[in-house]
Amino acid sequence: NAGVTQTPKFQVLKTGQSMTLQCAQDMNHEYMSWYRQDPGMGLRLIHYSVGAGITDQGEVPNGYNVSRSTTEDFPLRLLSAAPSQTSVYFCASSYKGQGTEQYFGPGTRLTVT
Amino acid sequence: QKEVEQDPGPLSVPEGAIVSLNCTYSNSAFQYFMWYRQYSRKGPELLMYTYSSGNKEDGRFTAQVDKSSKYISLFIRDSQPSDSATYLCATDTGGFKTIFGAGTRLFVKA
Repeated sequence: NAGVTQTPKFQVLKTGQSMTLQCAQDMNHEYMSWYRQDPGMGLRLIHYSVGAGITDQGEVPNGYNVSRSTTEDFPLRLLSAAPSQTSVYFCASSYKGQGTEQYFGPGTRLTVT
Repeated sequence: QKEVEQDPGPLSVPEGAIVSLNCTYSNSAFQYFMWYRQYSRKGPELLMYTYSSGNKEDGRFTAQVDKSSKYISLFIRDSQPSDSATYLCATDTGGFKTIFGAGTRLFVKA
Protein backbone atom coordinates (compact mmCIF):
# COMPACT_ATOMS: atom_id res chain seq x y z
CA ASN A 1 0.00 0.00 0.00
CA ALA A 2 1.17 3.52 -0.80
CA GLY A 3 -0.77 4.93 2.18
CA VAL A 4 -1.58 8.64 1.82
CA THR A 5 0.01 10.42 -1.12
CA GLN A 6 0.10 14.15 -1.79
CA THR A 7 1.10 16.13 -4.84
CA PRO A 8 2.88 18.38 -5.44
CA LYS A 9 5.61 18.32 -2.75
CA PHE A 10 6.47 21.99 -3.30
CA GLN A 11 4.61 24.85 -4.94
CA VAL A 12 5.15 28.58 -5.36
CA LEU A 13 2.14 30.71 -6.28
CA LYS A 14 1.60 34.37 -6.89
CA THR A 15 -1.10 36.24 -5.01
CA GLY A 16 -4.45 35.70 -6.68
CA GLN A 17 -3.58 32.45 -8.43
CA SER A 18 -5.61 29.33 -7.82
CA MET A 19 -4.48 25.74 -7.53
CA THR A 20 -5.49 22.31 -6.30
CA LEU A 21 -3.53 20.21 -3.84
CA GLN A 22 -4.08 16.53 -4.51
CA CYS A 23 -4.52 13.85 -1.85
CA ALA A 24 -5.20 10.16 -2.34
CA GLN A 25 -5.29 7.13 -0.04
CA ASP A 26 -5.46 3.43 -0.84
CA MET A 27 -6.52 2.13 2.59
CA ASN A 28 -10.27 2.40 1.96
CA HIS A 29 -10.58 4.89 4.82
CA GLU A 30 -13.88 6.72 5.17
CA TYR A 31 -12.47 9.74 7.00
CA MET A 32 -10.12 12.25 5.38
CA SER A 33 -8.91 15.63 6.56
CA TRP A 34 -6.79 18.57 5.46
CA TYR A 35 -4.57 20.42 7.93
CA ARG A 36 -2.18 23.32 7.67
CA GLN A 37 0.89 23.54 9.88
CA ASP A 38 2.46 26.87 10.76
CA PRO A 39 5.33 27.55 13.20
CA GLY A 40 4.06 27.73 16.77
CA MET A 41 0.49 26.91 15.71
CA GLY A 42 0.53 23.16 15.42
CA LEU A 43 -1.83 21.46 13.00
CA ARG A 44 -5.07 23.27 12.28
CA LEU A 45 -8.00 21.55 10.60
CA ILE A 46 -9.14 23.15 7.35
CA HIS A 47 -11.83 20.77 6.05
CA TYR A 48 -12.74 17.16 6.62
CA SER A 49 -14.89 14.46 5.07
CA VAL A 50 -16.66 11.51 6.68
CA GLY A 51 -17.31 9.76 3.37
CA ALA A 52 -17.78 10.25 -0.35
CA GLY A 53 -20.06 13.21 -1.01
CA ILE A 54 -19.88 14.53 2.58
CA THR A 55 -17.60 17.36 3.65
CA ASP A 56 -17.56 19.87 6.50
CA GLN A 57 -15.55 22.84 7.69
CA GLY A 58 -12.81 22.70 10.27
CA GLU A 59 -11.15 25.47 12.26
CA VAL A 60 -9.70 27.54 9.37
CA PRO A 61 -11.80 26.93 6.21
CA ASN A 62 -11.79 30.41 4.66
CA GLY A 63 -10.14 30.58 1.25
CA TYR A 64 -10.28 26.81 0.70
CA ASN A 65 -12.74 24.46 -0.98
CA VAL A 66 -12.94 20.68 -0.92
CA SER A 67 -14.96 17.94 -2.56
CA ARG A 68 -15.07 14.17 -2.09
CA SER A 69 -16.38 12.39 -5.17
CA THR A 70 -14.63 9.09 -4.38
CA THR A 71 -13.44 7.35 -1.22
CA GLU A 72 -9.84 7.55 -2.41
CA ASP A 73 -9.44 11.23 -3.33
CA PHE A 74 -9.84 14.44 -1.37
CA PRO A 75 -8.48 17.48 -3.25
CA LEU A 76 -8.04 20.88 -1.61
CA ARG A 77 -8.60 23.96 -3.76
CA LEU A 78 -7.14 27.38 -3.08
CA LEU A 79 -9.49 29.81 -4.77
CA SER A 80 -7.36 32.98 -4.81
CA ALA A 81 -4.02 32.49 -3.08
CA ALA A 82 -2.91 34.97 -0.43
CA PRO A 83 0.46 35.27 1.38
CA SER A 84 -1.33 34.20 4.60
CA GLN A 85 -1.83 30.79 2.99
CA THR A 86 1.91 30.15 2.92
CA SER A 87 2.16 26.99 4.97
CA VAL A 88 2.77 23.25 4.95
CA TYR A 89 -0.39 21.33 4.10
CA PHE A 90 -1.03 17.79 5.30
CA CYS A 91 -3.73 15.41 4.23
CA ALA A 92 -4.74 12.61 6.61
CA SER A 93 -7.06 9.65 6.56
CA SER A 94 -8.44 7.29 9.19
CA TYR A 95 -10.75 4.30 9.45
CA LYS A 96 -12.95 6.14 11.92
CA GLY A 97 -12.96 9.81 12.90
CA GLN A 98 -13.00 9.45 16.60
CA GLY A 99 -9.93 8.72 18.65
CA THR A 100 -8.30 6.50 16.08
CA GLU A 101 -5.03 6.75 14.28
CA GLN A 102 -4.81 9.25 11.50
CA TYR A 103 -2.37 8.45 8.70
CA PHE A 104 -0.70 11.54 7.30
CA GLY A 105 0.73 12.21 3.88
CA PRO A 106 4.22 13.69 3.38
CA GLY A 107 2.91 17.24 3.04
CA THR A 108 2.91 20.01 0.44
CA ARG A 109 5.05 23.09 1.09
CA LEU A 110 3.25 26.09 -0.39
CA THR A 111 4.69 29.58 -0.72
CA VAL A 112 2.52 32.46 -1.88
CA THR A 113 4.41 35.57 -2.97
CA GLN B 1 -7.08 30.55 24.99
CA LYS B 2 -6.14 27.55 22.87
CA GLU B 3 -7.99 24.32 23.62
CA VAL B 4 -4.70 22.44 23.85
CA GLU B 5 -1.56 24.17 25.14
CA GLN B 6 1.90 22.79 24.56
CA ASP B 7 5.31 24.36 25.17
CA PRO B 8 7.08 24.50 21.78
CA GLY B 9 10.54 24.15 23.33
CA PRO B 10 13.07 23.39 21.99
CA LEU B 11 14.05 20.82 24.60
CA SER B 12 17.63 19.56 24.47
CA VAL B 13 18.74 16.54 26.53
CA PRO B 14 21.76 14.18 26.59
CA GLU B 15 21.42 10.65 25.32
CA GLY B 16 20.04 8.31 27.99
CA ALA B 17 18.04 11.01 29.79
CA ILE B 18 14.40 10.68 30.77
CA VAL B 19 12.30 13.12 28.79
CA SER B 20 8.99 14.55 29.98
CA LEU B 21 6.69 16.24 27.47
CA ASN B 22 3.47 17.85 28.62
CA CYS B 23 0.23 19.42 27.45
CA THR B 24 -2.79 20.94 29.11
CA TYR B 25 -6.29 21.12 27.71
CA SER B 26 -9.38 23.10 28.57
CA ASN B 27 -12.38 21.03 27.40
CA SER B 28 -13.46 18.41 29.93
CA ALA B 29 -15.39 16.61 27.15
CA PHE B 30 -12.15 15.41 25.56
CA GLN B 31 -11.93 11.64 25.86
CA TYR B 32 -9.23 10.46 23.46
CA PHE B 33 -5.62 11.53 23.87
CA MET B 34 -2.85 10.94 21.38
CA TRP B 35 0.84 11.67 20.91
CA TYR B 36 2.19 12.03 17.39
CA ARG B 37 5.86 12.15 16.44
CA GLN B 38 6.97 14.21 13.46
CA TYR B 39 10.44 14.02 11.99
CA SER B 40 11.76 17.01 10.08
CA ARG B 41 9.99 17.53 6.74
CA LYS B 42 7.78 14.48 7.26
CA GLY B 43 4.13 13.94 8.15
CA PRO B 44 3.18 13.14 11.77
CA GLU B 45 2.81 9.51 12.81
CA LEU B 46 0.89 8.15 15.78
CA LEU B 47 3.09 7.20 18.71
CA MET B 48 0.71 6.58 21.61
CA TYR B 49 -3.04 6.61 22.12
CA THR B 50 -5.04 6.50 25.37
CA TYR B 51 -8.70 6.69 26.24
CA SER B 52 -9.76 8.64 29.35
CA SER B 53 -7.45 8.76 32.38
CA GLY B 54 -4.55 6.49 33.24
CA ASN B 55 -1.19 5.31 31.96
CA LYS B 56 -0.19 3.41 28.88
CA GLU B 57 3.27 2.00 28.29
CA ASP B 58 4.91 0.94 25.02
CA GLY B 59 8.58 0.10 25.24
CA ARG B 60 10.49 3.22 26.28
CA PHE B 61 7.39 5.41 25.98
CA THR B 62 4.72 6.04 28.62
CA ALA B 63 1.64 8.19 28.05
CA GLN B 64 -0.19 9.56 31.06
CA VAL B 65 -3.54 11.34 31.26
CA ASP B 66 -4.88 13.10 34.35
CA LYS B 67 -8.41 14.25 33.54
CA SER B 68 -8.88 15.87 36.95
CA SER B 69 -6.14 18.39 36.18
CA LYS B 70 -6.56 18.24 32.36
CA TYR B 71 -2.92 17.28 31.97
CA ILE B 72 -1.34 15.01 29.32
CA SER B 73 2.22 13.70 29.56
CA LEU B 74 4.60 11.62 27.48
CA PHE B 75 7.70 10.14 29.10
CA ILE B 76 10.61 8.78 27.09
CA ARG B 77 13.09 6.61 28.97
CA ASP B 78 16.69 6.06 27.86
CA SER B 79 16.30 8.71 25.14
CA GLN B 80 18.19 8.15 21.89
CA PRO B 81 19.35 10.56 19.16
CA SER B 82 16.76 8.90 16.92
CA ASP B 83 14.08 10.29 19.25
CA SER B 84 14.94 13.80 18.05
CA ALA B 85 11.72 15.05 16.50
CA THR B 86 8.70 17.23 17.18
CA TYR B 87 6.12 15.65 19.48
CA LEU B 88 2.50 16.76 19.12
CA CYS B 89 -0.17 16.03 21.67
CA ALA B 90 -3.70 15.70 20.33
CA THR B 91 -7.16 15.12 21.67
CA ASP B 92 -10.80 14.96 20.62
CA THR B 93 -14.24 14.42 22.08
CA GLY B 94 -14.93 11.28 20.09
CA GLY B 95 -16.30 13.26 17.18
CA PHE B 96 -14.68 14.04 13.88
CA LYS B 97 -12.34 16.83 14.88
CA THR B 98 -8.91 16.35 16.41
CA ILE B 99 -7.26 19.27 18.21
CA PHE B 100 -3.47 19.36 18.12
CA GLY B 101 -1.03 21.13 20.38
CA ALA B 102 1.66 23.33 18.85
CA GLY B 103 4.28 20.57 19.18
CA THR B 104 7.49 20.39 21.25
CA ARG B 105 10.82 20.12 19.42
CA LEU B 106 13.11 17.60 21.13
CA PHE B 107 16.84 17.24 20.51
CA VAL B 108 18.69 14.27 22.01
CA LYS B 109 22.45 14.78 21.91
CA ALA B 110 24.79 11.79 21.50
